[in-house]
Amino acid sequence: TQLLEQSPQFLSIQEGENLTVYCNSSSVFSSLQWYRQEPGEGPVLLVTVVTGGEVKKLKRLTFQFGDARKDSSLHITAAQPGDTGLYLCAHSGGGADGLTFGKGTHLIIQP
Amino acid sequence: NAGVTQTPKFQVLKTGQSMTLQCAQDMNHEYMSWYRQDPGMGLRLIHYSVGAGITDQGEVPNGYNVSRSTTEDFPLRLLSAAPSQTSVYFCASSTGTNTGELFFGEGSRLTVL
Repeated sequence: TQLLEQSPQFLSIQEGENLTVYCNSSSVFSSLQWYRQEPGEGPVLLVTVVTGGEVKKLKRLTFQFGDARKDSSLHITAAQPGDTGLYLCAHSGGGADGLTFGKGTHLIIQP
Repeated sequence: NAGVTQTPKFQVLKTGQSMTLQCAQDMNHEYMSWYRQDPGMGLRLIHYSVGAGITDQGEVPNGYNVSRSTTEDFPLRLLSAAPSQTSVYFCASSTGTNTGELFFGEGSRLTVL
């Protein structure tokens, strides 16, 4: 099982600030997914990155897949209270056995 | 749009009791799975199915049984509940490809006393 290390584990910032969270591994991934989970709900897919060096933007969220496909980052610009949640990265082992998730970054944006 | 529906949302059991967590999806997805989510441990795969009649074990299968008699339904059975099974359980489905999006239910919070 390829382990995914997410950092930081917890992050609390003020509204309007920028932030970056990370997802790292020692192994190469064919693809990586980012999910956001709000309290009392299941995770929801934000983006899938496939190509090394790929950058995808989703409004104020920017996702990057490392050139070597071993790491990924999520940058949020001008964070808003609605961005509060648990951010999870996940990868597929390539077989039929589902996604392996990192432990997540708990993000709180204070008004 | 129903998506993935889990029942019940909350359940309290006594040690040794059995119960079934229900999961149904209306997206005609072949792949379905069960995860448990615990503080500090993240989401861990319990069992999964790649189609009706086919199931397999994930990372933490002990104490749980599953079956897949139809494409739509994937129930998770706890045969003899233990306090270690106190957790939030999520059912998910997808098209089954390696980059396919997982669609999750809202979760079932189980407490075993």
